[in-house]
Amino acid sequence: DAGITQSPRHKVTETGTPVTLRCHQTENHRYMYWYRQDPGHGLRLIHYSYGVKDTDKGEVSDGYSVSRSKTEDFLLTLESATSSQTSVYFCAIRASGGTTDTQYFGPGTRLTVL
Amino acid sequence: AQSVTQLDSHVSVSEGTPVLLRCNYSSSYSPSLFWYVQHPNKGLQLLLKYTSAATLVKGINGFEAEFKKSETSFHLTKPSAHMSDAAEYFCVVRDTGNQFYFGTGTSLTVIP
Repeated sequence: DAGITQSPRHKVTETGTPVTLRCHQTENHRYMYWYRQDPGHGLRLIHYSYGVKDTDKGEVSDGYSVSRSKTEDFLLTLESATSSQTSVYFCAIRASGGTTDTQYFGPGTRLTVL
Repeated sequence: AQSVTQLDSHVSVSEGTPVLLRCNYSSSYSPSLFWYVQHPNKGLQLLLKYTSAATLVKGINGFEAEFKKSETSFHLTKPSAHMSDAAEYFCVVRDTGNQFYFGTGTSLTVIP
């Protein structure tokens, strides 16, 4: 599991409230990613980070912000949650090695916005 | 630009029969290709990956996939399905950039 944890694992919140999800890794990987998973869409990239304080947008970044103040933690914030952000959120790291880099995933966070 | 198409959203097989999950990709470069499996209410687990070392790639749990450049395909196969193979399967492509692109997934049902 590449030492990746996500917290919280489950959260129910109300529309308009801020929410922060945390991804923590123990193996000092440079790249970290946030995805959301919705039925019929697979996993879609929200944001990723290529180092401390270095981030970039993905396919579905609207309504989300991220921060990475230290290598081991990558935070995803919904500034004002909406019902369309109800989803399962996965964090991933990119591990370098062999002939290609490979992603490994955390256990996921199930977020419900009422 | 990269994209991945998983040709079947649902596949049903009988236990003990072969499994074929189809994946086509588009990429401007020689890509890296991956298959992941997700069991119900679980995270994603790497099944196998293609990295240009060999076109036939063997993964965990008896799965394998063959990279066919002329057909831009990376289909996942297993000779004999087991009940524990019932899950969602994702094909993923990456070229030289920082992003990985996921297919929409194939749900595999195994009938006893």
